[in-house]
Amino acid sequence: EVHLVESGGGLVQPGGSLRLSCAASGFTFSSYSMTWVRQAPGKGLEWISYINSGSSAIFYADSVKGRFTISRDNAWNSLYLQMNGLRDEDTAVYYCARGGSGSSWFEFWGQGTLVTVSS
Amino acid sequence: QAVVTQEPSLTVSPGGTVTLTCGSSTGAVTSGHYPYWFQQKPGQAPRTLIYDTSNKYSWTPARFSGSLLGGKGALTLSGAQPEDEAEYYCLLSYSGAYVFGTGTKLTVL
Repeated sequence: EVHLVESGGGLVQPGGSLRLSCAASGFTFSSYSMTWVRQAPGKGLEWISYINSGSSAIFYADSVKGRFTISRDNAWNSLYLQMNGLRDEDTAVYYCARGGSGSSWFEFWGQGTLVTVSS
Repeated sequence: QAVVTQEPSLTVSPGGTVTLTCGSSTGAVTSGHYPYWFQQKPGQAPRTLIYDTSNKYSWTPARFSGSLLGGKGALTLSGAQPEDEAEYYCLLSYSGAYVFGTGTKLTVL
């Protein structure tokens, strides 16, 4: 069974940094693309970053480009999101999602981790 | 960045049929946007129902179907059930970037 568990969320001051992790199990992690999506409280979904299976293709939404860095460690079955220069508007639940075969890029979702940016 | 628009809210009667749409500010939605549809219930993570316009997963109820309709992506629910009441989001791909729609709150009443 596919299992994705996000961690690393919490309260951080504006301008601060946080590193999110997504622990994967139940499948061959190195074979699938991964994505981060966030959802501000009471708001809609926002795609923020994508990484392919071998880390050779990485994309970011304009809202986080230059501040966030996606990475993965296939040996540790883990996905990461390094978030620097955090702003109030980055407050959200952050989800990781696993791709599937072909053009299926959001097949399975984790339960999310809450990041709160506030002074 | 493109803006992807959906109906803010729709209501369907139990057993009825409803179509949700997904439009792009850049023009007609095509198969090249690989339209996705997600269902999200309060307090839960999203669940992917449809990918690449019309493809379903093993968990996608047969009453849901995806298509292109009048230059938009479309999700049709035929035979609505009370458990289908949820927020529905579409997503379009724009050459390496992905944009979620604004969401449709579907009420089954």
